[in-house]
Amino acid sequence: DIQMTQSPSTLSASVGDRVTITCRASQSISSWLAWYQQKPGKAPKLLIYEASNLQSGVPSRFSGGGSGTEFTLTINGVQPDDSATYYCQQGNHYFFTFGQGTRLDIK
Amino acid sequence: EEQLVESGGDLVQPGRSLRLSCAASGFTFGDYAMHWVRQAPGKGLEWVSGITGNGGTRGYADSVRGRFTISRDNGKKSLFLQMNNLRPDDTALYYCVKDREIRGVYFHYMDVWGKGTAVTVSS
Repeated sequence: DIQMTQSPSTLSASVGDRVTITCRASQSISSWLAWYQQKPGKAPKLLIYEASNLQSGVPSRFSGGGSGTEFTLTINGVQPDDSATYYCQQGNHYFFTFGQGTRLDIK
Repeated sequence: EEQLVESGGDLVQPGRSLRLSCAASGFTFGDYAMHWVRQAPGKGLEWVSGITGNGGTRGYADSVRGRFTISRDNGKKSLFLQMNNLRPDDTALYYCVKDREIRGVYFHYMDVWGKGTAVTVSS
């Protein structure tokens, strides 16, 4: 099974900062990776799919990159509304795996 | 508007069974793979199972394979999860989720989520 490892587990940032979250796959997944944002008490929201494609309606300050086994989610100019937990997810044919999540706190 | 509404969550004893349902609206249900994702209290997301649009292929997490069965009724725009031999570590909020890719051969990404239905397994 493909394991997904995110780092860091928690992150603190000030408004306007640039933050990067990393996700590593235990084997190559090409570009089959998505990023989700989840706020407390809410369902997750798709931000990025196929490693770097922005889902419709998602602010352009969010961007994704990487391929193979290493991927990043970057937020350029963090806003208070970005306080949430972020998950990566690999989509390999008929089996999905999530990373353990990264909690972003806004100072 | 694309919408998913789950139902069927309950408090059950270990070893018992439960069937979750999900009613879809606002999109052509049979054109999309569908998934169940769960989240234990205070924990992260865990993909549980998925099924292709025509129901021909199903996938399961190792933690539920052999105990849970996913199915769908495209005529009724409904998704189901039959959960047997439930264990305390199956306690979670269960989300019904739509795959992003129309008529996809494989599972891809998940773009529409329900609000979830709560399952508690305890004696």
